Amino acid sequence: ELKVEQNPLFLSMQEGKNYTIYCNYSTTSDRLYWYRQDPGKSLESLFVLLSNGAVKQEGRLMASLDTKARLSTLHITAAVHDLSATYFCAVDSPGNQFYFGTGTSLTVIP
Amino acid sequence: NAGVTQTPKFQVLKTGQSMTLQCAQDMNHEYMSWYRQDPGMGLRLIHYSVGAGITDQGEVPNGYNVSRSTTEDFPLRLLSAAPSQTSVYFCASSNDRGYSPLHFGNGTRLTVT
Repeated sequence: ELKVEQNPLFLSMQEGKNYTIYCNYSTTSDRLYWYRQDPGKSLESLFVLLSNGAVKQEGRLMASLDTKARLSTLHITAAVHDLSATYFCAVDSPGNQFYFGTGTSLTVIP
Repeated sequence: NAGVTQTPKFQVLKTGQSMTLQCAQDMNHEYMSWYRQDPGMGLRLIHYSVGAGITDQGEVPNGYNVSRSTTEDFPLRLLSAAPSQTSVYFCASSNDRGYSPLHFGNGTRLTVT
């Protein structure tokens, strides 16, 4: 069974600071996804990473994928309050199944 | 374009009752799936379908049934509700599984007493 681990699980950061969320997974996969979930809401797709070395950026968020290390990172630059949410990574297994990490709850404080 | 529509939004059941969570999508997506979300456990796949007439089990299928008679609809049936099935349920679809992200419905919050 594919395992997806995120860390940290909880992150409290000051506005203006930088930080990175890590997503490790246990089996070979070339496809990784990042989602955002606001409290009480559904999940919204942020990034789709489809190959080794893929890097995607949107605003203050940048995601990358290293398939050899089985690692993806979500980097936050100069955090603002609007980025407060829970972030999930998900890996697509060869067996038609998506496996999600446990999520990182991010709180940006003034 | 409504996307993925789930009903109901909230439901309370007594132990042993059965019910069906509805999911419909209007994007002509072949791939549809059901997840449950529990605190500290992320999302876990219950069942999925790669097209009409084809379904398969995910990580946590026990206590749930699905069918896929049309491309648009993918209902999830709880056969005999148990308190352990208290959770938030999400339906999701994709037009090309593996190269496109999942599109999620708004979720159903289920409480079993």
